[in-house]
Amino acid sequence: GDSVTQMEGPVTLSEEAFLTINCTYTATGYPSLFWYVQYPGEGLQLLLKATKADDKGSNKGFEATYRKETTSFHLEKGSVQVSDSAVYFCALNHGNNRLAFGKGNQVVVIP
Amino acid sequence: EAGVAQSPRYKIIEKRQSVAFWCNPISGHATLYWYQQILGQGPKLLIQFQNNGVVDDSQLPKDRFSAERLKGVDSTLKIQPAKLEDSAVYLCASSSNSGNYGYTFGSGTRLTVV
Repeated sequence: GDSVTQMEGPVTLSEEAFLTINCTYTATGYPSLFWYVQYPGEGLQLLLKATKADDKGSNKGFEATYRKETTSFHLEKGSVQVSDSAVYFCALNHGNNRLAFGKGNQVVVIP
Repeated sequence: EAGVAQSPRYKIIEKRQSVAFWCNPISGHATLYWYQQILGQGPKLLIQFQNNGVVDDSQLPKDRFSAERLKGVDSTLKIQPAKLEDSAVYLCASSSNSGNYGYTFGSGTRLTVV
């Protein structure tokens, strides 16, 4: 079935560093792709989305491009802040608006 | 607009006890979802409602879990009897019918079964 794979392990980096979180997917057809963020003690929030190949989603300095050739949707940010510390989930819509999530990546930004 | 409301925020119960969670979606959102998020994992869909009808409950452990959305608005999820492995955060979400634009999630109910 449709699934999402995120890179293993937490990510720890210094403030103003470049962030990349890898996400690849397996799906029939071309699902919509999403990144959700979960700040400590809060619910999941939609960060950005892309609905078709080559679309670029962007929000709050984060970007991700829907790459059909590599079945990827990597999340990037050029200069992270301490406030970006959170758990980031990649997800796809695998029909009828059901979401399949990756395991998530904890991001810790050190001042 | 008001977000997705869930209660309680936290619940601790002993195994074999029963528990219920409540969710009120965003006004006008026809579709409501319950997800289970076990620590260290991504959320997993348990059940999806469209208005008051079930669209998908294929991953709901029906021997112990039940859910209802009687008037097509708020919903309850029940576990009876609870097992240790049910310890998780239970997330409710809602969406309009334009599904490609993502959901709005509630803050969740953290269940601990001891």
